[in-house]
Amino acid sequence: QKEVEQDPGPLSVPEGAIVSLNCTYSNSAFQYFMWYRQYSRKGPELLMYTYSSGNKEDGRFTAQVDKSSKYISLFIRDSQPSDSATYLCAMTETSGSRLTFGEGTQLTVNP
Amino acid sequence: GAVVSQHPSWVICKSGTSVKIECRSLDFQATTMFWYRQFPKQSLMLMATSNEGSKATYEQGVEKDKFLINHASLTLSTLTVTSAHPEDSSFYICSAPRRDSNQPQHFGDGTRLSIL
Repeated sequence: QKEVEQDPGPLSVPEGAIVSLNCTYSNSAFQYFMWYRQYSRKGPELLMYTYSSGNKEDGRFTAQVDKSSKYISLFIRDSQPSDSATYLCAMTETSGSRLTFGEGTQLTVNP
Repeated sequence: GAVVSQHPSWVICKSGTSVKIECRSLDFQATTMFWYRQFPKQSLMLMATSNEGSKATYEQGVEKDKFLINHASLTLSTLTVTSAHPEDSSFYICSAPRRDSNQPQHFGDGTRLSIL
């Protein structure tokens, strides 16, 4: 069993839709949780960063962490075609240490 | 703007050539940098952890003599793919956490390596 599970999709939604992306994990020692967006042939770009459980909002993006359920989510409101990319969840036990990634979810937002 | 710079972004070379990829932290010091490899439609696979002033730590299955890593300063790590062959063609990405910080890691823009 993988340490981090993420549905690879692909996920296709119409413009303006609310997108929900999720990851589950098995290592209870994970404390730092990140969402990265990766466009084709580019490096991952940090979207959201959360320490421990809770919610964090930044513009159209909301990240949620539920450590009791070992479940993290990323919500994208009013999705745009420019949001079409692969979204990777990542987590780590201590800041600055190696990241464990999910498989990535490929998202397409159709105009 | 970018906080981690990776160079070159794309390289095409003949089989048997050695290729060097640079990863620089632009406005911070990084005692550790990470090197990843990514195949199409797959997630990032950690190859090695680069440590400033000491030997790199390689993941299981990664050939140390094939992928040479040098972390000579607090802002620069290099990955050299020695005697590259077509099966080494891939997308290589580095990341660097800020030294003495709880901030998340930032990634370089990746290097697309094509071996003919």
